[in-house]
Amino acid sequence: DTAVSQTPKYLVTQMGNDKSIKCEQNLGHDTMYWYKQDSKKFLKIMFSYNNKELIINETVPNRFSPKSPDKAHLNLHINSLELGDSAVYFCASSPSGGFEAFFGQGTRLTVV
Amino acid sequence: DQQVKQNSPSLSVQEGRISILNCDYTNSMFDYFLWYKKYPAEGPTFLISISSIKDKNEDGRFTVFLNKSAKHLSLHIVPSQPGDSAVYFCAASNSGYALNFGKGTSLLVTP
Repeated sequence: DTAVSQTPKYLVTQMGNDKSIKCEQNLGHDTMYWYKQDSKKFLKIMFSYNNKELIINETVPNRFSPKSPDKAHLNLHINSLELGDSAVYFCASSPSGGFEAFFGQGTRLTVV
Repeated sequence: DQQVKQNSPSLSVQEGRISILNCDYTNSMFDYFLWYKKYPAEGPTFLISISSIKDKNEDGRFTVFLNKSAKHLSLHIVPSQPGDSAVYFCAASNSGYALNFGKGTSLLVTP
């Protein structure tokens, strides 16, 4: 069983489109994250949710909106996609008070 | 503002030898440090961690050393195996809510 799963794994879309990436974890963790790995290979935190509540929102364009319907899911919606949004997006989860985050396999987003 | 730095983008080591991966950080508020291993087209996988109250943590072939005064940590892998070939990310946290990652070091273990 996959602990943290995100779909799709690959996403190719045109500029200006709106897309979503879904993430689910079956570890019973309270905290979920979205990280972005850009072309320079930096892994940077975008958002963090704890028990469906947003607790970290780094400097991310408001075209990016996370949605947490329940504590096992954290989806990422991106509006008006731009070329610079091309990156690999990783979902992760951790238990409350825990430092070790468990990552999904990543979604490679390519905007053309 | 990069608070965690891995200055060696790549490292090549012979099988059976020791691999030493280095990491420096600038934020003195970091109190927990982790190493992740990543294979291509996969997510990072947690490898080993260390709290700031310790200076060493060992798990099998993997040992992490922390030098708080120098704001430096290192990961030792001994003996290195070809299956250890991957990108290794150093990460640090001061809140438990998010990890600050380095750029990674690509380790190649040759037979």
